[in-house]
Amino acid sequence: QSVLTQPPSVSAAPGQKVTISCSGSSSNIGNNYVSWYRHLPGTAPKLLIYDNVKRSSGIPDRFSGSKSATSATLGITGLQTGDEADYYCGTWDSSLSAGVFGGGTKLTVL
Amino acid sequence: QVQLQESGPGLVKPAATLSLTCSVSGGSISNYYWSWVRQPPGKGLEWIGCIYYSGSTNYNPSLKSRVTMSVDTSKNQFSLRLNSVTAADTAVYYCARGKPLLPYWGQGTLVTVSS
Repeated sequence: QSVLTQPPSVSAAPGQKVTISCSGSSSNIGNNYVSWYRHLPGTAPKLLIYDNVKRSSGIPDRFSGSKSATSATLGITGLQTGDEADYYCGTWDSSLSAGVFGGGTKLTVL
Repeated sequence: QVQLQESGPGLVKPAATLSLTCSVSGGSISNYYWSWVRQPPGKGLEWIGCIYYSGSTNYNPSLKSRVTMSVDTSKNQFSLRLNSVTAADTAVYYCARGKPLLPYWGQGTLVTVSS
């Protein structure tokens, strides 16, 4: 069981919008910055969003991040087939003194 | 551009010690935290731990009793040792820069635990 909770999968049609949630607690999301990563099997994970809302270099504004209390959300608009991947949220857990990831969400663009 | 490359045996016997090294190029290892992350087959990412260039560490509590990380600033490398491995430690192991924000990652190396 992951410390952060994500839905196992989400799907939407090309051109549509999708959101991926990441739920935690006061010891992690509630008091620390959240990052989001895209991961394709066999490749290095890629940083998309950091400090809850900031886009990493080269990431289009179709990708957005938000945070409220102990939950964070990744939004992707104008979905493309190339967006199909696994998406992970990550943060620091102050009680564990350790980094933590969500279980990952598989995005399918129908 | 910072680049990271994992190296080490791809096959480790049960009960043995897994040892990996991450070589950093395009930048100094100094003044940064460096992390290890793994992904078992069919599962999600798991944070293993991190080390500051000065040597201070944080480990995943579930692995803490078996993990040791070290850094060699003269070689611009950092390393992971995981002892008493079992089949559950079979995974792709990634090295990355940062804690817990990880903007740079290596390509990953598959380590299989099997006799």
